[in-house]
Amino acid sequence: GAVVSQHPSRVICKSGTSVKIECRSLDFQATTMFWYRQFPKKSLMLMATSNEGSKATYEQGVEKDKFLINHASLTLSTLTVTSAHPEDSSFYICSAAPGQPMKPFFGQGTRLTVV
Amino acid sequence: ELKVEQNPLFLSMQEGKNYTIYCNYSTTSDRLYWYRQDPGKSLESLFVLLSNGAVKQEGRLMASLDTKARLSTLHITAAVHDLSATYFCAAWNTGNQFYFGTGTSLTVIP
Repeated sequence: GAVVSQHPSRVICKSGTSVKIECRSLDFQATTMFWYRQFPKKSLMLMATSNEGSKATYEQGVEKDKFLINHASLTLSTLTVTSAHPEDSSFYICSAAPGQPMKPFFGQGTRLTVV
Repeated sequence: ELKVEQNPLFLSMQEGKNYTIYCNYSTTSDRLYWYRQDPGKSLESLFVLLSNGAVKQEGRLMASLDTKARLSTLHITAAVHDLSATYFCAAWNTGNQFYFGTGTSLTVIP
């Protein structure tokens, strides 16, 4: 199946710093990628839809200035958590879907811990 | 916003027993997906259901879709310990957005 690679898998950062998470589609082009956040023992919450070459579409309640998304190429989307705080600690997962009908594949996830 | 609900949220079942997980969604969606997640891991794709009446089976798991009732089911037959995980359904809306259900945490007891 299609491969979506996410990096890093784990990151610990200090409060106030920024962290960048990368999501790559390794064997297909993805005009659309999705970013999710998952709290422990909870479901995945869609944060934003990343569109190649244009602005991301954010879900209601998600701060655009805090969670910066850039989709500069057909194989790479990045999520930058700016001025991170402990409450931003979470599991972040990206997904991308090749072709039609859409069948999303998921990255390995990134465990972010802000101390 | 498309809302997707699952029940039960938690399921503890004995090995060898059968059970069904239900997934309801709030607005029209003709694509329904099932995923498995193990602790600390990402999601593994199980099934993609693309049309009303679709039924797919893989091993002890069988998924079905009723788009008129806005309902999908994941049936577990003769459960084994290896099936212990969290199962999510997800639906795709016309805005090309993908929403997950609340998840069902399954524990299979020997």
